Amino acid sequence: DAKTTQPTSMDCAEGRAANLPCNHSTISGNEYVYWYRQIHSQGPQYIIHGLKNNETNEMASLIITEDRKSSTLILPHATLRDTAVYYCIVRRGGLIQGAQKLVFGQGTRLTINP
Amino acid sequence: SAVISQKPSRDICQRGTSLTIQCQVDSQVTMMFWYRQQPGQSLTLIATANQGSEATYESGFVIDKFPISRPNLTFSTLTVSNMSPEDSSIYLCSVEGEGKNIQYFGAGTRLSVL
Repeated sequence: DAKTTQPTSMDCAEGRAANLPCNHSTISGNEYVYWYRQIHSQGPQYIIHGLKNNETNEMASLIITEDRKSSTLILPHATLRDTAVYYCIVRRGGLIQGAQKLVFGQGTRLTINP
Repeated sequence: SAVISQKPSRDICQRGTSLTIQCQVDSQVTMMFWYRQQPGQSLTLIATANQGSEATYESGFVIDKFPISRPNLTFSTLTVSNMSPEDSSIYLCSVEGEGKNIQYFGAGTRLSVL
């Protein structure tokens, strides 16, 4: 699975958009980009995932560059409850044995400030 | 998304003893996984729990230390055997339905070994 690189920490003001970058320059054609977050003392929460098109759901938007070597997670109106560690993970899709496992890096610690 | 219940939510154990952690899902799922999160660290996959067959362990994890059961499509257990203080971690269960390509996590079991 491709490795990802994220900034160690970021700050964002409450009510502003939080843009979290992720580099995955070795991503291959059948690998998806996933984002999870972990709020203190809780299990990781799925946010969004995509292959090559931009995706949006009720939580966030995912922007993937045309060459797929990087992506940005956007929280459009950050609140204090969005303070968490955000993980960008690249994973193969499908039912290939071993394809389903998630490899977590250190993630980005996002702090939303009032 | 699946509703995942883990028991116990936390425990304090004496070294040399064993603890069995339960993971119950509210729907049938193909894949169940067990992760460990050591203090201040990211998540590491222990094993994939396969229904009707032996679990598949990741490098560095062995069945004698972390035996896993998967008796049906909604339930799994992880046992942490012959515990030492180094086993103090959060243990998390995750599930993925066939073809869903999304893993959902339980709240975790916080284990302290004295």
